[in-house]
Amino acid sequence: GQQVMQIPQYQHVQEGEDFTTYCNSSTTLSNIQWYKQRPGGHPVFLIQLVKSGEVKKQKRLTFQFGEAKKNSSLHITATQTTDVGTYFCAAANTGTASKLTFGTGTRLQVTL
Amino acid sequence: DTAVSQTPKYLVTQMGNDKSIKCEQNLGHDTMYWYKQDSKKFLKIMFSYNNKELIINETVPNRFSPKSPDKAHLNLHINSLELGDSAVYFCASSPWGQGHGGYTFGSGTRLTVV
Repeated sequence: GQQVMQIPQYQHVQEGEDFTTYCNSSTTLSNIQWYKQRPGGHPVFLIQLVKSGEVKKQKRLTFQFGEAKKNSSLHITATQTTDVGTYFCAAANTGTASKLTFGTGTRLQVTL
Repeated sequence: DTAVSQTPKYLVTQMGNDKSIKCEQNLGHDTMYWYKQDSKKFLKIMFSYNNKELIINETVPNRFSPKSPDKAHLNLHINSLELGDSAVYFCASSPWGQGHGGYTFGSGTRLTVV
């Protein structure tokens, strides 16, 4: 079955440092989504990328979809303590009837 | 107004018992899902329903039986609970089809089997 791996599994940064998580799929994707889950919370949808090479920004967050549509990244500039949580990518294959396969997740810890 | 609501939030039960988790969404979405999140935070799809019809049934033990009485509700019944069933179960909903935006998740049900 499809595998979606994320690296790193865990990252601890000081507030103000940048952070990047990478998402890699074993198959070509129709689209990719990103979610954030705060500790003790539920996944919250952040963004969806559809086009090859697409780049989208949300304030300090920059999302990229690879040219081959098999990988994606999320970059956070100047992290804040409110960025703490686990970031998941979620991959949709063509013709899989809305099925999303979630990545393994990257847990981000931010300290002052 | 909660968009996707699950009950109960916590469930502690003994091995061998049968339990149900309920989910309701008021977003008008066509598709609803059950995901299981284990202790390592892996999120794995279990079931998906579109307009009350089962469309995804992953390799889940048949002790787990979903039921969708209408497109706004998706319940999960678990028979003969086992220790390994302990996890957080999330209900989610979305519009039908890809490219229509993300999933909206409920707040989760933390199931502990003792």
